[in-house]
Amino acid sequence: QLQLQESGPGLVKPSETLSLTCTVSGGSISSSSYYWGWIRQPPGKGLEWIGSIYYSGSTYYNPSLKSRVTISVDTSKNQFSLKLSSVTAADTAVYYCAASPVPIGVWNWGQGTLVTVSS
Amino acid sequence: QAVVTQEPSLTVSPGGTVTLTCGSSTGAVTSGHYPYWFQQKPGQAPRTLIYDTSNKHSWTPARFSGSLLGGKAALTLSGAQPEDEAEYYCLLSYSGARGGVFGGGTKLTVL
Repeated sequence: QLQLQESGPGLVKPSETLSLTCTVSGGSISSSSYYWGWIRQPPGKGLEWIGSIYYSGSTYYNPSLKSRVTISVDTSKNQFSLKLSSVTAADTAVYYCAASPVPIGVWNWGQGTLVTVSS
Repeated sequence: QAVVTQEPSLTVSPGGTVTLTCGSSTGAVTSGHYPYWFQQKPGQAPRTLIYDTSNKHSWTPARFSGSLLGGKAALTLSGAQPEDEAEYYCLLSYSGARGGVFGGGTKLTVL
C-alpha cells in the first residue's frame, strides 16, 4: 500500500521560497506506474492542482503557478519535492502530495501539511 | 484558465439519491477530461472515489457511481448514509498544457 508523507517548514516569510518534501513508502518513486504531484488547499477554501512529475523528470504545471513552481524527484531517497518561489500570504495553504497513474489525477494522498506565509 | 463549476451545496435524505455535477467553462465535459471525484470530511485529507469518469477504487462504497450527464461529469449517490456528509470535489484534465482544474466543491448534507 503506497503511503505518502509531507515534511517541511510550517512558516515561510513573504518573498522567500517554500520548500516541501514528500517521502514515499510502500513503493518505488522510480516506478513507471506513477506520477508524483502536489495539490494545495487554502484554509476554508477549495483544492488547487499545482503540478506533477514522472520519475523520468517530465513535469506538468498549473499555468497560473508555472513561473514560480519547481517539482523534482530524488530517487536515492525515494522522495519528491516542491519549491514555490516569491511566496505571499495567498500561498498559505495545506499542501498535499499525491500519487497518480496519470499526469493529472490522484489515487493516493498524503495527510497534508499546513504552510503559513507570514513575517 | 478553464473554470470548473459544481453546485455549492446539496441536501439529501438518508437512504435517498442525489446527483452532483461538474461542468466546464470550455464546453461539454467528455471522457477526455478524465473526471475524478473526491470526498473530503472536515479536518481530513481528501479521498479519491472515482477516476476516469466512472471507475471506482477498491475502497469506494458501491453506492457511489460516476458518469457523464448532459454535458457534465456526474457523481450519483444512491442510498445516502449519514457518513456521506462531506465536501465533494471534481477534477478535470485539460490538454495543451492547461493542466488540471478542480471544481469549487459541493457541500453535501444528509438530513
